[in-house]
Amino acid sequence: DTGVSQNPRHKITKRGQNVTFRCDPISEHNRLYWYRQTLGQGPEFLTYFQNEAQLEKSRLLSDRFSAERPKGSFSTLEIQRTEQGDSAMYLCASNEAGPVYEQYFGPGTRLTVT
Amino acid sequence: QKEVEQDPGPLSVPEGAIVSLNCTYSNSAFQYFMWYRQYSRKGPELLMYTYSSGNKEDGRFTAQVDKSSKYISLFIRDSQPSDSATYLCAMSAGLSSNTGKLIFGQGTTLQVKP
Repeated sequence: DTGVSQNPRHKITKRGQNVTFRCDPISEHNRLYWYRQTLGQGPEFLTYFQNEAQLEKSRLLSDRFSAERPKGSFSTLEIQRTEQGDSAMYLCASNEAGPVYEQYFGPGTRLTVT
Repeated sequence: QKEVEQDPGPLSVPEGAIVSLNCTYSNSAFQYFMWYRQYSRKGPELLMYTYSSGNKEDGRFTAQVDKSSKYISLFIRDSQPSDSATYLCAMSAGLSSNTGKLIFGQGTTLQVKP
């Protein structure tokens, strides 16, 4: 399978715990995005990487959120001290360099904070 | 006011009907327009991608962009029960936005009844 992959697919955690999600983009794609989607809403942009550089972060990405892409391949998104409001689908997308704007999404990680 | 407005529906049609899905937007910098299909608890799947104004056809799907009215549409001909999903419009300012991040509508839920 050469699509975007995300792990885990579903994570249930208790409030206050830390969680980490992983995204593996399509292999030749050097741009990687994280979005968050809540029930009944469209995805909202969180952050963007070009290779290993994090070039933009949304105001939605509070200090409890951190994302990395250490070798310009896979990326991780960590949420510290989770809150019930963090419950959402976390989506990863990727695309190629240059004037290419369509993005390809993974299946998402569904986070439930109890 | 949201940058991208999309009627959430739900929209229910009989099998074989022509479906019209629409989005309006306020940011004149948007140049790249996409439609995604999302099945329940899955990641968005890219359906159509268009640049600037005009029409694009792919099988039973036609995407239209009218930049003068800031209005985009997706038409589905001969709709099938397998088309039942949430349809998301997404837009990008392209080079005006260094990241090419996507701004999504809320999504329209479509049900095609056999």
